[in-house]
Amino acid sequence: SAVISQKPSRDICQRGTSLTIQCQVDSQVTMMFWYRQQPGQSLTLIATANQGSEATYESGFVIDKFPISRPNLTFSTLTVSNMSPEDSSIYLCSVGSWGEATEAFFGQGTRLTVV
Amino acid sequence: KQEVTQIPAALSVPEGENLVLNCSFTDSAIYNLQWFRQDPGKGLTSLLLIQSSQREQTSGRLNASLDKSSGRSTLYIAASQPGDSATYLCAVKWSGGGADGLTFGKGTHLIIQP
Repeated sequence: SAVISQKPSRDICQRGTSLTIQCQVDSQVTMMFWYRQQPGQSLTLIATANQGSEATYESGFVIDKFPISRPNLTFSTLTVSNMSPEDSSIYLCSVGSWGEATEAFFGQGTRLTVV
Repeated sequence: KQEVTQIPAALSVPEGENLVLNCSFTDSAIYNLQWFRQDPGKGLTSLLLIQSSQREQTSGRLNASLDKSSGRSTLYIAASQPGDSATYLCAVKWSGGGADGLTFGKGTHLIIQP
């Protein structure tokens, strides 16, 4: 299994500012994902972070709001831009691969509060 | 639309009971189904992965089954303990198109009473 480290673990931010969340994996992985978990809700996929190319965003999420980088096979960042209180959520990084036999693993998450 | 539903949303049982959590999904074209546990303020811990070609998986007191044709999975917890208290999430990886990530149910919040 992969060990995934996320930083920061939590933060309180002012509205209108931006926060960059880092995700570091202890081994090279094929696929990295970013999810959002709003208060009291389940996880929703934001995007797939592609190494060396633009991320693939799910419906309802756009690059201007959630820019993602993936410079190599072990590291990715998610930025939450121009934050509002509605962005208060837990953001989680995940790794996986194609095919039916691959288990998905998650980081501990970043708890973001926007005031 | 590809969706995952979990029933019940919450469950409270006395310690020692056996219990079943249910998960249903709308599209039988899946790669796999994974059960997770989430403790308050923490990330997700993977419990069991069932591939589309499998019928069940077991780990300790946990047993997960998969009926792809009917779009259902169950997580059976034997001899429940207070330490089993957590939110249990079911997630599906689709094979018939769409995102490469997982689609999650809303979870079952489980409380085991000492």
